[in-house]
Amino acid sequence: DIQMTQSPSSLSASMGDRVTITCRASQSISGYLNWYQQKPGKAPKLLISTASSLRSGVPSRFSGSGYGTDFTLTISSLQPEDFATYYCHQTYRTPLTFGGGTKVEIK
Amino acid sequence: EVQLVESGGGLVQPGRSLRLSCAASGFTFDNYAMHWVRQAPGKGLEWVSGISFNSRNIDYVDSVKGRFTISRDNAKNSLYLQMNSLRAEDTAFYYCAKDTLATMIRGPDAFDIWGQGTMVTVSS
Repeated sequence: DIQMTQSPSSLSASMGDRVTITCRASQSISGYLNWYQQKPGKAPKLLISTASSLRSGVPSRFSGSGYGTDFTLTISSLQPEDFATYYCHQTYRTPLTFGGGTKVEIK
Repeated sequence: EVQLVESGGGLVQPGRSLRLSCAASGFTFDNYAMHWVRQAPGKGLEWVSGISFNSRNIDYVDSVKGRFTISRDNAKNSLYLQMNSLRAEDTAFYYCAKDTLATMIRGPDAFDIWGQGTMVTVSS
């Protein structure tokens, strides 16, 4: 199985901060990497697909990059509504796997 | 409105069965693969199973193989998960999710629509 390792597992940041979350795959997954945002009590929401494609309606402060084994999600200027848990997700091979999540909290 | 609505969760004893349903609306259901994803309380996301648009390709995570069966009825715009021989470790919120592609052939797909989830608790 392809293991997805996210770091950090949690972080504290202030409004307006630039935040970067990393995701590393245990083997190359090409660009088949997605990012989701989940708020407490809610279903995950797709933010970015195939490593860097911003989904319709997602604010442009979110961006993704990477290829192969190393990927990043960046929030350029943290807003109040961005405090949530973020998950990476590989679709290169089944079983499809998710990272352990990164909880973004208010400093 | 594009929507997925799960149902069928509840409290069940270990070893018993439960069938989850997911009703889809607002999109052409039989054009897309569908998946079940679960989340144990306070934990991360785990993909459980996926099914192609025409039901010809199905896959499961190892921990549920032989116990869970995914199926779909395109005429009813519905996805199902039959869960047998349930264990305490199956306790989780179960989400159905729509794929951006039709097939289970691995590639540049993602889960773009999610239901609100249904809770399954396995306990005596």
